[in-house]
Amino acid sequence: GNSVTQMEGPVTLSEEAFLTINCTYTATGYPSLFWYVQYPGEGLQLLLKATKADDKGSNKGFEATYRKETTSFHLEKGSVQVSDSAVYFCAPYSTLTFGKGTMLLVSP
Amino acid sequence: GAVVSQHPSWVICKSGTSVKIECRSLDFQATTMFWYRQFPKQSLMLMATSNEGSKATYEQGVEKDKFLINHASLTLSTLTVTSAHPEDSSFYICSARESPPSGSSYEQYFGPGTRLTVT
Repeated sequence: GNSVTQMEGPVTLSEEAFLTINCTYTATGYPSLFWYVQYPGEGLQLLLKATKADDKGSNKGFEATYRKETTSFHLEKGSVQVSDSAVYFCAPYSTLTFGKGTMLLVSP
Repeated sequence: GAVVSQHPSWVICKSGTSVKIECRSLDFQATTMFWYRQFPKQSLMLMATSNEGSKATYEQGVEKDKFLINHASLTLSTLTVTSAHPEDSSFYICSARESPPSGSSYEQYFGPGTRLTVT
């Protein structure tokens, strides 16, 4: 069946550290892939997306590359900030399935 | 970008009463809207998919008589929690998809969520 697997959280980092949040998926075909971010007490916001293999989505310093061969869409940021503290969800469109979310906590 | 609003943002009700939550797409038409439920520190659980002018499609395990969904127009969907009980307390989030889909991304736009507390 369709599913999404994200790395367990929370991920705790110091400001300016490098971030990687792993996401792998199973889906029928090659769906568009999304990363959403949820700040405390709020709904989800689209962070970035990629619509086909080898596409790289980027926004606010975050990047993710659609890897068809490994069915992965890992989220990366070179230097995190305290304001990046939130829960991050990986989602392939075709399934409307969200991973369990990964909480990121960035300390000053 | 496209904006989806929810009302109310939070509500407290007594056990046995019904609560209606509205989800509106403010600057686009949404043929399809989705309702999710989120428990603390957990992922979103898709409850149902509603298409304008037709009956909602509920996910397995979701009581359709308890969670009434109406999608009467291209900009409004409502979720009514009937005879609410404390176990219905949760964070309810709606999302909407443009119609027709823009490009090929089929992006969903999420509302800010509604915190329901049943006492």
